[in-house]
Amino acid sequence: EIVLTQSPGTLSLSPGERATLSCRASQSVSSSNLAWYQQKPGQAPRVLIYGASTRATGIPDRFSGSGSGTDFSLTISRLEPEDFAVYYCQQYGTSPWTFGQGTKVEIK
Amino acid sequence: QVQLQESGPGLVRPSETLSLTCTVSGGSISSYYWSWIRQPPGKGLEWIGYIYYTGSSNYNPSLKSRITMSVDTSKNQFSLKLSSVTAADTAVYYCARVSGWYLHYWGQGTLVTVSS
Repeated sequence: EIVLTQSPGTLSLSPGERATLSCRASQSVSSSNLAWYQQKPGQAPRVLIYGASTRATGIPDRFSGSGSGTDFSLTISRLEPEDFAVYYCQQYGTSPWTFGQGTKVEIK
Repeated sequence: QVQLQESGPGLVRPSETLSLTCTVSGGSISSYYWSWIRQPPGKGLEWIGYIYYTGSSNYNPSLKSRITMSVDTSKNQFSLKLSSVTAADTAVYYCARVSGWYLHYWGQGTLVTVSS
């Protein structure tokens, strides 16, 4: 199975700052079949990005995804108070689908 | 707007079978894949498997021997059964609709605790 490793584990930033989250795969993710999800405490995850770089409906343009092959990233250009949460990457190109362990973006 | 709602017992005894149902509203269950995902308390997400409305399915090999998924198109529901549960199966269980092969719409999740 494809193992996804996210870094850093925790990112401590202030509102207005830029956040860059990394997701590295143990083998190439086919057709850039990678998504990013945001999860807030007590809530279900919600999709932000799919196909490595396509924003899901209703997602603000401060969220952007990039990458291919084994290296992917999620960038939040200017952190808003509601963006402090846990972020997961997920590959759906090869079965079994797998998730990264998550990156927590916390208020500094 | 598509909505999903998980239902089922919140407590299951060890060695018994966990049974959950996901009810879909705001859209038809037909023509889509539907998935289950779980999250142990304080931990990350684990994909359990998916099922097509026709009944064809794909399960995570780590759970495959214990999983059964089914679809009831007449009720707009799909279900998960996980047999021989242990404490390691304690988790919040989510159902989700697959769109373009990513997990688009999610239910709110339901906590299932395995304990005697």
